[in-house]
Amino acid sequence: RKEVEQDPGPFNVPEGATVAFNCTYSNSASQSFFWYRQDCRKEPKLLMSVYSSGNEDGRFTAQLNRASQYISLLIRDSKLSDSATYLCVVNLYGGSQGNLIFGKGTKLSVKP
Amino acid sequence: DAGITQSPRHKVTETGTPVTLRCHQTENHRYMYWYRQDPGHGLRLIHYSYGVKDTDKGEVSDGYSVSRSKTEDFLLTLESATSSQTSVYFCAISESGTGGNGYTFGSGTRLTVV
Repeated sequence: RKEVEQDPGPFNVPEGATVAFNCTYSNSASQSFFWYRQDCRKEPKLLMSVYSSGNEDGRFTAQLNRASQYISLLIRDSKLSDSATYLCVVNLYGGSQGNLIFGKGTKLSVKP
Repeated sequence: DAGITQSPRHKVTETGTPVTLRCHQTENHRYMYWYRQDPGHGLRLIHYSYGVKDTDKGEVSDGYSVSRSKTEDFLLTLESATSSQTSVYFCAISESGTGGNGYTFGSGTRLTVV
């Protein structure tokens, strides 16, 4: 089983739609969780950290379910500018993959 | 807010030649990382550094070496470039050794080996 798994998509949604991404991780020792956003031909950028109690930043809501080992990202009222690839990231100290394990990303395309 | 810069941004090189990519940071972060990103593989760690002169291998380190003689600079060298090393290379920095605050990435270097 891969360390971090995401549905690659693409998710094609109209403007204004609500879209949700899920991510599962394999190691229960993971302690920190993030969503990164990567635009085409650009570097990944931190979108938000994910806290146990869930957290919200404007139209974005992130949730963590430690028992089931999954993380979610909800985007409400999608904008054209939300089109990007969203990377689920989990920390696991040590190992050849480094301290942060990156999912392969879920591609979102928001259409007019 | 260019706290981390990579050079060059683009490079085309011939098979068999050595290539060095540079990552420079102004954040005084202890931890620095080199990743490559390829379609279907996501980000894969090549090498990382946990201090000046302290480096270790990542999951795809074969054919690559690194050096860190100063806190601010982390160099990645392809000893003899091959076509399989055509990729986008990202450098990242981190304050925390556990990754607890996430990483900040540079803008990347697009390397083509012909």
